[in-house]
Amino acid sequence: DVKVTQSSRYLVKRTGEKVFLECVQDMDHENMFWYRQDPGLGLRLIYFSYDVKMKEKGDIPEGYSVSREKKERFSLILESASTNQTSMYLCASSSGTGGNQPQHFGDGTRLSIL
Amino acid sequence: LAKTTQPISMDSYEGQEVNITCSHNNIATNDYITWYQQFPSQGPRFIIQGYKTKVTNEVASLFIPADRKSSTLSLPRVSLSDTAVYYCLVGAHRRLTGGGNKLTFGTGTQLKVEL
Repeated sequence: DVKVTQSSRYLVKRTGEKVFLECVQDMDHENMFWYRQDPGLGLRLIYFSYDVKMKEKGDIPEGYSVSREKKERFSLILESASTNQTSMYLCASSSGTGGNQPQHFGDGTRLSIL
Repeated sequence: LAKTTQPISMDSYEGQEVNITCSHNNIATNDYITWYQQFPSQGPRFIIQGYKTKVTNEVASLFIPADRKSSTLSLPRVSLSDTAVYYCLVGAHRRLTGGGNKLTFGTGTQLKVEL
């Protein structure tokens, strides 16, 4: 069974801090994704990566960056956290190159920016 | 951008069939339709995926009309444990686009199943 692990379930940070959210998958998947989930807005794609060191912007990349130095690990970085980045963050992975493969999600990191 | 629209909530009783419809008028030729289930404090979990006509697996069926502008997730004989949020996802992630990759999740349908 695919396992996507997010390093923290809950995180509290202060405005202006640099924040790292880590995600690891154990199925050698090519693709990894970062979403944020907010009430009434559903899931919105921030970034995805289809290979090591490769990244593509999603719907809402502003204020975020990502890093993928190893195939199994995908990091989301908030360079200078702001209160409007308080949200649930979900990481996912999928296999293949066709773009339609089902995604496997982690259980999320609930991030609060004070 | 294939914007999706789903009902916000639905109520049902154990043993009934539940049908949740998702509208996606701007679906692109290459887009698949995927449904996910999410329980509180968990990430979404894949249920079923289709491109056209009908797809069935051990937990659900997915009906897609010829114009593909909508899709219906059918859950046969629901139980209390099917109480969850159901998301419709339309689109595919594409490489080398330079930005604006579109994977459009609907805002989800909260299904509540009662005895």
